[in-house]
Amino acid sequence: GAGVSQSPRYKVTKRGQDVALRCDPISGHVSLYWYRQALGQGPEFLTYFNYEAQQDKSGLPNDRFSAERPEGSISTLTIQRTEQRDSAMYRCASSLAGTSNEQFFGPGTRLTVL
Amino acid sequence: EDQVTQSPEALRLQEGESSSLNCSYTVSGLRGLFWYRQDPGKGPEFLFTLYSAGEEKEKERLKATLTKKESFLHITAPKPEDSATYLCAVQGTTSGTYKYIFGTGTRLKVLA
Repeated sequence: GAGVSQSPRYKVTKRGQDVALRCDPISGHVSLYWYRQALGQGPEFLTYFNYEAQQDKSGLPNDRFSAERPEGSISTLTIQRTEQRDSAMYRCASSLAGTSNEQFFGPGTRLTVL
Repeated sequence: EDQVTQSPEALRLQEGESSSLNCSYTVSGLRGLFWYRQDPGKGPEFLFTLYSAGEEKEKERLKATLTKKESFLHITAPKPEDSATYLCAVQGTTSGTYKYIFGTGTRLKVLA
């Protein structure tokens, strides 16, 4: 594809519901990153994958957050039992490899938890 | 712990008025320092990667430089279309992870 795509672009959910956010990276990109970005802040690291392996999940806020990339391409970030404090822009980025390569960011998913 | 601090938080320039943005960093072993531009409502867009102190890179009106403690993004004769948030990020060698740590950004407004 032309770039990183994310879906849905906007998600409104009620507190306590589970949500799944999808990221489709650029074809051939080995590394995939998930970030959370608050308004007026830089992206905050959540987790990243090399191929299908989750290499670092130290940025996931708690055990309600999980991510997978089962075939080394599309990734899903799942938030269980959502809370209002989970409301944010969730961004995905991909790169050719993890080492010092530029990241290409997707348009993000705006999550609102009511 | 790896850390990135950007200053100023916001900057207003007249068209043609050159200035510099600062990115101070603390990292245990630098793999790379990155500059991104972010327009409102969009994802960050890559500008430069710097790997070692003394390195410089240029692109149109932008020039990025790197020392052992900080990086500068110099903007020469800016135009209104340069208005954006400029983000700095570092990738260190801590614990073998390849994660990136971003600063909070500098919001640049260039007035015509």
